Amino acid sequence: QKEVEQNSGPLSVPEGAIASLNCTYSDRVSQSFFWYRQYSGKSPELIMSIYSNGDKEDGRFTAQLNKASQYVSLLIRDSQPSDSATYLCAVNGGYGGATNKLIFGTGTLLAVQP
Amino acid sequence: DAGVTQSPTHLIKTRGQQVTLRCSPKSGHDTVSWYQQALGQGPQFIFQYYEEEERQRGNFPDRFSGHQFPNYSSELNVNALLLGDSALYLCASSFSKGVANYGYTFGSGTRLTVV
Repeated sequence: QKEVEQNSGPLSVPEGAIASLNCTYSDRVSQSFFWYRQYSGKSPELIMSIYSNGDKEDGRFTAQLNKASQYVSLLIRDSQPSDSATYLCAVNGGYGGATNKLIFGTGTLLAVQP
Repeated sequence: DAGVTQSPTHLIKTRGQQVTLRCSPKSGHDTVSWYQQALGQGPQFIFQYYEEEERQRGNFPDRFSGHQFPNYSSELNVNALLLGDSALYLCASSFSKGVANYGYTFGSGTRLTVV
């Protein structure tokens, strides 16, 4: 079992729709969770971090965490063509809050159709 | 304020050669982590340097080695290059408080092609 799993996609949504990206992780002691956006050929860019169960909203983005189910999701409202990218889920690989390394999923390719 | 700077941006090497990649951390950061991202995969942790020492290492062979200098900049060295080493190499800087890292920021990466 992979440590962090994501559906590779592509996930295709029409412009203005809600895009829903999902991620599961295997290590129950993980403390910190991150969503990165990566455009083709570029480096990952942090868009959301979440540490507690529940929802965290930032503009058009909402991250959701359920530690009991070991599940993290990212919702993108009013999707725009500029949101088309690969979205990487990352989990803190340390214990007790240490963030010495990030464990990434393989990413989900999102395509927003105009 | 400069972010994380990596050099070179692109590199082509031949199998068996050695390569050195460089990273300057963001101002105020003292910790450097290196990741390898193969095509279609997520970044994989190689190692992390803090106080000029390797603090943690991922599942990479000894051909991968690193160094951190007193000014916090870092180098990644790969010996005896294999075709499978072709990837985007990412440097991330952060600042350490105890065992935790904060402000994790990625550089733009070095694209290494081994032929």
